[in-house]
Amino acid sequence: GAVVSQHPSRVICKSGTSVKIECRSLDFQATTMFWYRQFPKQSLMLMATSNEGSKATYEQGVEKDKFLINHASLTLSTLTVTSAHPEDSSFYICSARKMGTRGDTQYFGPGTRLTVL
Amino acid sequence: AQSVTQPDIHITVSEGASLELRCNYSYGATPYLFWYVQSPGQGLQLLLKYFSGDTLVQGIKGFEAEFKRSQSSFNLRKPSVHWSDAAEYFCAVGEGDDKIIFGKGTRLHILP
Repeated sequence: GAVVSQHPSRVICKSGTSVKIECRSLDFQATTMFWYRQFPKQSLMLMATSNEGSKATYEQGVEKDKFLINHASLTLSTLTVTSAHPEDSSFYICSARKMGTRGDTQYFGPGTRLTVL
Repeated sequence: AQSVTQPDIHITVSEGASLELRCNYSYGATPYLFWYVQSPGQGLQLLLKYFSGDTLVQGIKGFEAEFKRSQSSFNLRKPSVHWSDAAEYFCAVGEGDDKIIFGKGTRLHILP
């Protein structure tokens, strides 16, 4: 199988604080992980591509200084929401790419619900 | 630019009935196509994907999808739905497996 975990599953924080979300591939190594944001009743929007050992690639409109991504190992990527504000409240989902003989596949974590008060 | 359209926001079917969820895409080359399912509180699970070969793709949980290039469609089907199939279904298109673009999703409701 291919299992991706996220921690925490739910976090509530005060405005102005920073929050770190972890994404782990539990049974495979992933040189590439992705971070998505999902608003209520909306689709997933890709925020950034996280590459192990190098800088993340951010999508247009995503502030890299606000959403810090670190991919320090082949099984762990972290997303830190710095100086969070209520508008950052959302559902954040990560995925990890697993290489396969019939093409690569992204496996998704269960998501992290962030609420900023 | 790549895009994915799921024209139905909600679909309601009776348990045991057949199901078809529609998906149209816009992409310049032969796309990689995916269907994912998202249950409440859970992450997205890959149902099936197409990237070459047979245009009728078999997936998990009894789902299948057919790639029709002439119609730019990749509709998801299941001959007989179960109550546990109630969830949000996302069609997606990607170049390789990077930068997957998701549709807005179709919420499937099952009547007992």
